[in-house]
Amino acid sequence: AQSVTQLDSQVPVFEEAPVELRCNYSSSVSVYLFWYVQYPNQGLQLLLKYLSGSTLVKGINGFEAEFNKSQTSFHLRKPSVHISDTAEYFCAVKPNSGGSNYKLTFGKGTLLTVNP
Amino acid sequence: NAGVTQTPKFRILKIGQSMTLQCTQDMNHNYMYWYRQDPGMGLKLIYYSVGAGITDKGEVPNGYNVSRSTTEDFPLRLELAAPSQTSVYFCASSFLNTEAFFGQGTRLTVV
Repeated sequence: AQSVTQLDSQVPVFEEAPVELRCNYSSSVSVYLFWYVQYPNQGLQLLLKYLSGSTLVKGINGFEAEFNKSQTSFHLRKPSVHISDTAEYFCAVKPNSGGSNYKLTFGKGTLLTVNP
Repeated sequence: NAGVTQTPKFRILKIGQSMTLQCTQDMNHNYMYWYRQDPGMGLKLIYYSVGAGITDKGEVPNGYNVSRSTTEDFPLRLELAAPSQTSVYFCASSFLNTEAFFGQGTRLTVV
């Protein structure tokens, strides 16, 4: 079984400031890792994903994340946020082998609020 | 391509009523999922399917049923609606090693 912990439920920042949203996971097998964004009253959209290869992954809207296997983390970063980045962000993991390789598990989400 | 389509978008049910949430995808994905989203709780997996004719329970299956007769469709059935089933429901689909694509959600209120 796997689990995902998003360490901050809410992150308020000012416009143009950098931001880091933290995600730690637990799994007995190797995993794929994802970050999704949810704007109000909408579904989830993929921001970026780690499947293999380079541990630094770049996504849409200027976001990036770094996979750290030893620390079982996949933190999301953006060097300068905009008002339009205000949304809820979800970290998710899916095993890439084994009998449970269909289960996509989500964290509880981090609400990013960008203030002017 | 439409992606993942969910209907209806909104529904109000009375306690004890039943309904089916529809989900269809046109990407030929083998995996499909139903999640419910409650404030501050993230997404909880209700049921999933790895292909036509194969379904299994997720974390919170009680009060729900699913079927998967075709690759495209994965309806979620609520037999006896309860207030605890008030939630936003999301359907998603994927291949094994790719991200899941989500529908726009169904907002269900049970009164």
